[in-house]
Amino acid sequence: DTEVTQTPKHLVMGMTNKKSLKCEQHMGHRAMYWYKQKAKKPPELMFVYSYEKLSINESVPSRFSPECPNSSLLNLHLHALQPEDSALYLCASSQYPLAGEYEQYFGPGTRLTVT
Amino acid sequence: AQKITQTQPGMFVQEKEAVTLDCTYDTSDQSYGLFWYKQPSSGEMIFLIYQGSYDEQNATEGRYSLNFQKARKSANLVISASQLGDSAMYFCAMRPTGANSKLTFGKGITLSVRP
Repeated sequence: DTEVTQTPKHLVMGMTNKKSLKCEQHMGHRAMYWYKQKAKKPPELMFVYSYEKLSINESVPSRFSPECPNSSLLNLHLHALQPEDSALYLCASSQYPLAGEYEQYFGPGTRLTVT
Repeated sequence: AQKITQTQPGMFVQEKEAVTLDCTYDTSDQSYGLFWYKQPSSGEMIFLIYQGSYDEQNATEGRYSLNFQKARKSANLVISASQLGDSAMYFCAMRPTGANSKLTFGKGITLSVRP
C-alpha cells in the first residue's frame, strides 16, 4: 500500500479564518513533506519532518504552521492567509528523510482558495 | 545546486504509439537519484520510475522506461503503447543521495494522447 491521504480535498477560506490541512500515511515512512504547487508549475517544498521533528523550513511565512503529532500524521495549520496563498497543497512521505534513493509518495492534494 | 531542464512545451502522441519525454539535469553530486512523476488534472503526483546514478541498467516499470545517459546528463522517459489515461503533466526530478537533500523538479511537460 503506497497511499498517502489528505483532507479536505477542497478548501475555501477567508483571510481571517483559521483552518487545518491533514495528511496521513501508514507505510511506516519516517519522513513527511509539505509542498505548495501553483497551476502549471512544479511543486515547491515548504517543510520537511524527519522522525517527527521539523528538519527543513523553506523560509515559509509564519501564517503556515506545520505539526507532526505522530509518525503517521502531518498537519498544516493556516491562519490569516493571503489570496496569493491559493494553490494545491501536496503532502508526501518517503521511507527515510531526504535520502536520494527513496522515492516520495504524494497524496492527492488539497486545493485551497483564499478569498 | 541541482537543475532540471524540461524544454518540450507540450507533446502530442497518437494512442498506442510510443513517446519520449526529455529531461536533462545538472549537478555536481556524484551520487543521486532521478525520478519521473505523472500529474493528471486531478492533482495527485504519481511516482512512475526511479534511476540511480550508479545503476548500470536503464530502469523499466511496465510501459515506462528511463533512457539514462549519464555522460550527457539526460534521463528521458519513454512511454510505450500510449493510452488515453497517459494524458497528464510529467515532471522529471532529482535528488542527491544522502541526508538532507531535497527533490528538485523540472518545470514539467504536458502530454496529450490523441484517440
